Amino acid sequence: DTAVSQTPKYLVTQMGNDKSIKCEQNLGHDTMYWYKQDSKKFLKIMFSYNNKELIINETVPNRFSPKSPDKAHLNLHINSLELGDSAVYFCASSHLPGGPGKTQYFGPGTRLLVL
Amino acid sequence: AQTVTQSQPEMSVQEAETVTLSCTYDTSENNYYLFWYKQPPSRQMILVIRQEAYKQQNATENRFSVNFQKAAKSFSLKISDSQLGDTAMYFCAFMTITGNQFYFGTGTSLTVIP
Repeated sequence: DTAVSQTPKYLVTQMGNDKSIKCEQNLGHDTMYWYKQDSKKFLKIMFSYNNKELIINETVPNRFSPKSPDKAHLNLHINSLELGDSAVYFCASSHLPGGPGKTQYFGPGTRLLVL
Repeated sequence: AQTVTQSQPEMSVQEAETVTLSCTYDTSENNYYLFWYKQPPSRQMILVIRQEAYKQQNATENRFSVNFQKAAKSFSLKISDSQLGDTAMYFCAFMTITGNQFYFGTGTSLTVIP
């Protein structure tokens, strides 16, 4: 029944490692997003994909690479992790721009801690 | 550019009382959507209420209602009969009709006191 799911929920890793976070939605949405929430709770969009195509790519280090194998999945791969990457990462999905709703549905978040 | 401002970083309210969280935004667009999301300690982002700018009627959802003032670019959230489970971070968000990017405010941390 989960609408937007993310794995893992918690991720603790060493600096310099490479890690991935997976996201899946079963809402039939066409657009998916990655957000980063920092320690001050500020939510900032990182990427958006529509039908597997990248449509938003904010100023994010190129160590972050999103991958969308199909429109129900949007994974986030992070290379050479740095201390400043520690944050909560949220996946979200919505209908096509201009389509019904526009409401974004969020996953439960992945808390990443880089040591 | 779109911006969303929440000027109250923290608020508290007694259980069963009413509280209003403020949100203002800046845009040159005429049609857009506005949202309030709630983030409890569990971190889950939960949609509370949503308003289409072309609708003059204020949205309501049970104990939650908004006061949408388009000319003033204001979108406040009123929570009536506050409950302990309302304790959370509340984010105001804006999206244009044609865009697909949410612009979030910095959040208001609400504590309901028993």
